[in-house]
Amino acid sequence: DTGVSQDPRHKITKRGQNVTFRCDPISEHNRLYWYRQTLGQGPEFLTYFQNEAQLEKSRLLSDRFSAERPKGSFSTLEIQRTEQGDSAMYLCASSPQTSGRADSEQFFGPGTRLTVL
Amino acid sequence: GQSLEQPSEVTAVEGAIVQINCTYQTSGFYGLSWYQQHDGGAPTFLSYNGLDGLEETGRFSSFLSRSDSYGYLLLQELQMKDSASYFCAVRDDGRRGSTLGRLYFGRGTQLTVWP
Repeated sequence: DTGVSQDPRHKITKRGQNVTFRCDPISEHNRLYWYRQTLGQGPEFLTYFQNEAQLEKSRLLSDRFSAERPKGSFSTLEIQRTEQGDSAMYLCASSPQTSGRADSEQFFGPGTRLTVL
Repeated sequence: GQSLEQPSEVTAVEGAIVQINCTYQTSGFYGLSWYQQHDGGAPTFLSYNGLDGLEETGRFSSFLSRSDSYGYLLLQELQMKDSASYFCAVRDDGRRGSTLGRLYFGRGTQLTVWP
């Protein structure tokens, strides 16, 4: 069991550059979530995929952010023209589509820490 | 929208019992989850309440009162390794076009356990 993995774990970039993060969910999980977390705050929802379909995007997600899950397996999150305010931990989580209590648990990856200089 | 309130910090000694409260105001409520996060680590699931009452999982228990929009996490027989941030999270009911399963997290409670 490999759990949820994310790559890279750390990214330092200059303002205005584009960055892309990858998330590999647990293989049998068809639900995938992206969250952003800043220091002293809880994770903040960004977007959600069920299989390859992006079903919800947070209003907090500006048009500089785009996410894909082309084959319903791994997902990528791209940030264009990065700004210093984008500096945060970007977390990916996955969960299976089941019923009842088992549907309530999301499995988080270790995150990608982005620093925009 | 959703808002959650939980204490920012709690301290206790090893072997003690600690209760972390969470109150919420939501536009759609399906259940309340609790997650633990160590410094530099990923959030890990602890417990979930979809119905009123107490759920027990080892040293951890969680309680929910839907009528009071209130829940708590109870940690017993505290150990040093329990020092971490604890987040309550409301699970959306998905009735207003948002995603069933979407989580809204509180700001977290930093628990410090002293020897």
